[in-house]
This record gives sequence, C-alpha cells and structure tokens, in this order.
Amino acid sequence: AQSVTQLDSHVSVSEGTPVLLRCNYSSSYSPSLFWYVQHPNKGLQLLLKYTSAATLVKGINGFEAEFKKSETSFHLTKPSAHMSDAAEYFCVVSEESGGSYIPTFGRGTSLIVHP
Amino acid sequence: GAVVSQHPSRVICKSGTSVKIECRSLDFQATTMFWYRQFPKQSLMLMATSNEGSKATYEQGVEKDKFLINHASLTLSTLTVTSAHPEDSSFYICSASPLAGGLYNEQFFGPGTRLTVL
Repeated sequence: AQSVTQLDSHVSVSEGTPVLLRCNYSSSYSPSLFWYVQHPNKGLQLLLKYTSAATLVKGINGFEAEFKKSETSFHLTKPSAHMSDAAEYFCVVSEESGGSYIPTFGRGTSLIVHP
Repeated sequence: GAVVSQHPSRVICKSGTSVKIECRSLDFQATTMFWYRQFPKQSLMLMATSNEGSKATYEQGVEKDKFLINHASLTLSTLTVTSAHPEDSSFYICSASPLAGGLYNEQFFGPGTRLTVL
C-alpha cells in the first residue's frame, strides 16, 4: 500500500526567500512521484515528476525536487519565492494496482508568500 | 500541453435530482480517467478510476449506485450524481492519463465542477 505525508499544512515565506515543502512517501514498489500546484479557481497543474532517470528533478517556474530513497522523501524547493507562487501544493505518489496506476494525494501544503 | 475540460463548471440543483458532469480530454486519448472530490481547504479524495470500455473501480466508501461513472470513449467520461442531497455538495475534479499509460504517466486535470445541492 502506498501513502504520502506532507508534513506541513501551511508554509509562510517572504518574497525572495527560499521555499521548502516537505513530502515523505511510503510505497511497496518503486513509485512514481509528482508535485502538483493548485491556484485558486484553477485546475491542478503539474510542477514536476520523478521518473527514475535522475534523483534531482527540475520543474516549471524554478521549482525542483530531490528524490531520496534512503529517506523516502521528495521535498519541493525553490531558491527564491515569488508572490505568484502562493497556492496549494500537492505531493502525489502513484504505483501499479491491478493493471492501473493509482494516485494517492498528500493532504496539501498551502504556501503563503509575504511581500 | 494536454487539455482536459469539464462541464458544467458550476451547477446548482434541488435535492433529489440527478446531475451529470462531463470530463473530456480535448487533444489526447485517455485510457484512464479519475474522478475526485475536494472539500474546502482539503486534499483531493479519489472516488473512482475509470477505464475506457470497462466498469469503473470505486474507492472504498464511495457508493457506486449513487455516483455513476461512464467512460464511453477515449475522450469522454461522465459522472452522474443520482438523487443528490446537500451533503453531496462539493468540488468534483476529473483527470485523464494519456493512451501511452505507464507508471510515470502524469495526470491532466480538468478545472473542476462546483456542485451545490439545495
């Protein structure tokens, strides 16, 4: 069985400072991992995904995440926050089940960016 | 990029009526579509996985007779909320995975449908 834990329900940063959104996962097999962002009144958008090709994954809008198998973590980072980054972020783990790939969402982390 | 649409974006209905929500992949074929429910300030809860041409697989606790899912083609899945009640009011989101499939296949999300049952 798979699960994903987003350790922080809210993260508050000042504009221009680094962002760290934490995600730990549990999976029976080698999972695929994703980060999605949800802006108010908009659909979820993929930020990046881990495909086993590289442990450090670069995504859109300057975000990146590092897959650490020993720590079962896939934390999302960005060197410098922008006001437009304020949104809800979801870490997702997916593994095969009965021929389909079933996603499990973390509870989400709300990123608040102060001017 | 791949686009998924949902219709309607908002619907208000009376208690006891049925509501149909459509999810379409506009520029790709989707073998698998997912239906989620999201309550305010909460995460997405997977309701069911829909594969084209076969019966949907419902998550534990989701009533299959209440939430009817049809995946008639590779670009269309529908969710019908039957005999809706106020507690069914929620934000319903669909997503689709492209035909190629696979473990690393991302999902493309629709913009969601806000259902309000009076």
